[in-house]
Amino acid sequence: EAQVTQNPRYLITVTGKKLTVTCSQNMNHEYMSWYRQDPGLGLRQIYYSMNVEVTDKGDVPEGYKVSRKEKRNFPLILESPSPNQTSLYFCASSRDSMNTGELFFGEGSRLTVL
Amino acid sequence: AQSVTQLDSQVPVFEEAPVELRCNYSSSVSVYLFWYVQYPNQGLQLLLKYLSGSTLVESINGFEAEFNKSQTSFHLRKPSVHISDTAEYFCAVSENNFNKFYFGSGTKLNVKP
Repeated sequence: EAQVTQNPRYLITVTGKKLTVTCSQNMNHEYMSWYRQDPGLGLRQIYYSMNVEVTDKGDVPEGYKVSRKEKRNFPLILESPSPNQTSLYFCASSRDSMNTGELFFGEGSRLTVL
Repeated sequence: AQSVTQLDSQVPVFEEAPVELRCNYSSSVSVYLFWYVQYPNQGLQLLLKYLSGSTLVESINGFEAEFNKSQTSFHLRKPSVHISDTAEYFCAVSENNFNKFYFGSGTKLNVKP
């Protein structure tokens, strides 16, 4: 089954404790991206990657890092989480950046930073 | 950067009634337009999209949206809603390279029996 898989789905952590949210897709997609969803703000793009070793900032990259060492994986790293990073995070992929633009989303990872 | 406005945060409607969810975007440059739907505790799914050609686009479950360049709008409509249409709907815009996507704040459609 074609899918985008995120882990963990739920996480409660404390300020400053480094964490990684993994994202993996099995569709051989070149393009991947991360979003955060907050009430009243919709989805905001954090980072995106057009291909292996190619990443770029979205609208809200502060406090986040990403890497794209393999085509299928695109982890989101919070080096020192803070309470304002409490949010619902979505990973998405697309066949390539010049395709039809359809994004395939994971089921989301709900992060709480205390 | 683009700005996408969905003025209605919630839209209550009775089953079989028509509905319109509004979306306006800011830029006048060439854009690609999308509507995504999010059911509870799930990720977003593409509902329909406008890339080029006919300004009226349709989905397989009866929704349609019309691209209006002069009004920079892409409103979503359905002539008769079902209970199963209850979900949150997001309008999204991408510019000419599909790298960056800008989403509206979402509209929760609540269909009542």
